[in-house]
Amino acid sequence: DAGVIQSPRHEVTEMGQEVTLRCKPISGHNSLFWYRQTMMRGLELLIYFNNNVPIDDSGMPEDRFSAKMPNASFSTLKIQPSEPRDSAVYFCASSFIPGELFFGEGSRLTVL
Amino acid sequence: EDQVTQSPEALRLQEGESSSLNCSYTVSGLRGLFWYRQDPGKGPEFLFTLYSAGEEKEKERLKATLTKKESFLHITAPKPEDSATYLCAVQAGRDDKIIFGKGTRLHILP
Repeated sequence: DAGVIQSPRHEVTEMGQEVTLRCKPISGHNSLFWYRQTMMRGLELLIYFNNNVPIDDSGMPEDRFSAKMPNASFSTLKIQPSEPRDSAVYFCASSFIPGELFFGEGSRLTVL
Repeated sequence: EDQVTQSPEALRLQEGESSSLNCSYTVSGLRGLFWYRQDPGKGPEFLFTLYSAGEEKEKERLKATLTKKESFLHITAPKPEDSATYLCAVQAGRDDKIIFGKGTRLHILP
């Protein structure tokens, strides 16, 4: 298996622009997680899905953030409009066994 | 609120110098505690799961232990390739939410 695939790996955008991050989980995994990592705050859970259904989105910073999982093999995290404080590395992870997460390589977002 | 605290934030050791990393947690109804390794520019990589106090898991030079309030990751005779950030995470309550600590940056000097 190719593992969790995220795109883009790097994104540089200007404040106010829309950003869409994409994730393909490992086939057969039934849970998908979106995390954000910064030096100051570490790994923060934004939202997670079980069987394509959002279970807990309490970590989503505000209404500018939204996430979807239209099917078992694809998820998106959208930020609209983006702000400089959104600059971070965004990780997608999937799992079959609770707690044993497989992470993608991450998407590094820079908002100017 | 569930919390995971790791210490120290950073640790420098000479090759072969054994030590331990700490992960203390405050959660209601611990269902599992997990250790991950993260290399620069990569996503975290799963190492161990511990479910109950007294449990131990080993992998090469790493051994993870769990008590009712904390977990330790013991590193025996480390090598430079063990240099990485080690993250602790917990699953608590009735859902599958996984909460991470901020990690310990470990640097092993040759």
